[in-house]
Amino acid sequence: NAGVMQNPRHLVRRRGQEARLRCSPMKGHSHVYWYRQLPEEGLKFMVYLQKENIIDESGMPKERFSAEFPKEGPSILRIQQVVRGDSAAYFCASSPQGPSPGNTIYFGEGSWLTVV
Amino acid sequence: AQSVTQPDIHITVSEGASLELRCNYSYGATPYLFWYVQSPGQGLQLLLKYFSGDTLVQGIKGFEAEFKRSQSSFNLRKPSVHWSDAAEYFCAVGVGNAGNMLTFGGGTRLMVKP
Repeated sequence: NAGVMQNPRHLVRRRGQEARLRCSPMKGHSHVYWYRQLPEEGLKFMVYLQKENIIDESGMPKERFSAEFPKEGPSILRIQQVVRGDSAAYFCASSPQGPSPGNTIYFGEGSWLTVV
Repeated sequence: AQSVTQPDIHITVSEGASLELRCNYSYGATPYLFWYVQSPGQGLQLLLKYFSGDTLVQGIKGFEAEFKRSQSSFNLRKPSVHWSDAAEYFCAVGVGNAGNMLTFGGGTRLMVKP
């Protein structure tokens, strides 16, 4: 039973390019969360998605960042026109359908974005 | 708004010694509380979680944590540390309808001396 799969694990982009990070949740999970970890900091919540719906995007920067979780395929976190400050580790997590107290949220191994 | 504070940024202990990592939270309702461990360049692994019931929670790898509502704390403990425990530890509080959106503390980096 594969865990949460993220790719690429490492991504280097030049300033102004686009970065796309992909996340496949655990089998049977339909809730996906994205978190960002800046160097030497804890993780910060970005967005919570279910299939084809954004449930909570209160942690997403207002510009250049978007996320989707289509009916088929992985969840995508897209960063347009990257800047050096976007360099971070981006973690995806998933939980089973119908969140309820006690559900464990499983994290992927992260995607490390470096903007040069 | 909720917040989590881990007062100790770095901690060094000798192998075999006991360990306590501190975590304080601020949240208006009954919290859902978690401890995660992160090895360098890796993702987060859940050590244990508290939702309700017994305030002393047992986790994996010999870790336990105690929820103290009066102190708004959820400290992580281990009686005897192993060199493989060296990692970064994150405390988190879950918010939202089911505690499924996590607010993390800044982390405590544990180093283990031989």
